[in-house]
Formats: sequence, C-alpha cells, structure tokens
Amino acid sequence: DAKTTQPPSMDCAEGRAANLPCNHSTISGNEYVYWYRQIHSQGPQYIIHGLKNNETNEMASLIITEDRKSSTLILPHATLRDTAVYYCIVRSPIYNQGGKLIFGQGTELSVKP
Amino acid sequence: GAVVSQHPSRVICKSGTSVKIECRSLDFQATTMFWYRQFPKQSLMLMATSNEGSKATYEQGVEKDKFLINHASLTLSTLTVTSAHPEDSSFYICSARGDMFQATSGNTIYFGEGSWLTVV
Repeated sequence: DAKTTQPPSMDCAEGRAANLPCNHSTISGNEYVYWYRQIHSQGPQYIIHGLKNNETNEMASLIITEDRKSSTLILPHATLRDTAVYYCIVRSPIYNQGGKLIFGQGTELSVKP
Repeated sequence: GAVVSQHPSRVICKSGTSVKIECRSLDFQATTMFWYRQFPKQSLMLMATSNEGSKATYEQGVEKDKFLINHASLTLSTLTVTSAHPEDSSFYICSARGDMFQATSGNTIYFGEGSWLTVV
C-alpha cells in the first residue's frame, strides 16, 4: 500500500480556512486519495476522495497536485466542531483486497476560538 | 452518507468469556466489511476483511481463532472475541463498503460508531 505523510498536529483559528497537507509520493495511477476524520471516541467519518481532479463537497475541498504526489484538504471555515484527527489515505482499487483502508497517524487539528 | 451501526457501544466482560459485537449496514448492502481495533492515542489497526458468505481474511499477526468474524448476510457482520483477556480491551470499529453501483454508498467505505470493550 502507498504510504502517506502528514504533519502530526496543526492549529487553526475558528472561522479561518484549515489547510491540511498530505504527501503520497509513491501513489500508483489507479489509487485514490481518501480523507477521513475521527472525533474523539467515535468512528471515522468520511470527508472526501479524489483521483486526479480537485473535488469539492459540502464538507471540504480536495486539491491534488498534477503529479499526484501530494494533496491538501481544505476546510473553508473551520469551527470548533472540526477539531479532530484527520487521516489522508491512499486506497487500493477494490479488486486489490477489497479496497481496504490502511490508516497512518493522521494530523490532529485543533480549532481554537 | 450511508449509515453503519454497531452494537453494543460499550461492553464489559469477565476474563475468559466471549463477547460478540455486531455491525450492520442500515441503508445499503455491504459487499465487504472491515474490522479495526484502536488503542488509546493510537491509529486504527486493520484486523480483517470479510466478504459476505466467505471466510474472513485476517491481517498478519491477528489470531483468527481468537477474533471470529462472521459475515452471514449483506447487512450484518459480527466479531466475536473469544476467551477475552484484559489486553483485548480496546475500541473496536467496523466499516462497510457497498458495490460501486449502489447509489447510497458507491464503493466508499463508511464506519460504525465503534464499540468499547473492557475485559476485567
């Protein structure tokens, strides 16, 4: 499985954009980038995923570099409830072991008033 | 997003007994389910992958005879921790994936709320 590298922690002011980086330099052409977050003592929550193009949904935006070796998750207006551990995961195709998700250490985002 | 539910959310059992945790996909058919465990201040560790109607595939180092996984239907998978010991105390999390043609889930993986197991 391709591995990802994320900063262990980040702070963000409430109301500002939170930009969470992720390096995945060994990603293969058919592997997707997925983002999940985990609020303390809960199961991970799906945020967004992408292959090549930038993606946006109601929660966040995902910016993937042209060479696909890194990506950035953007929370446009962070709130205190966005405080969580954010995981960037490179996911194998479904035909490869069911497309399982292997979690790294993630980034602990603290949104401060 | 699609909904995955786990039960119980918390369980305490005596050392040497077995405990079962259920994972249900509520609004889609889960072709594949995954079980994880998580210790405090650590990341999730994948234990096994199960497909409906077939035997689970366990990750290296996970004892298949201790952690019994059954995926008997497209909406239910169970994890049974047999002969539990205090070191098995952990947060157990399931996740489920539909197939790519399902409108609700596609092939995105959704997670349950997790189950806290305490073995005393």
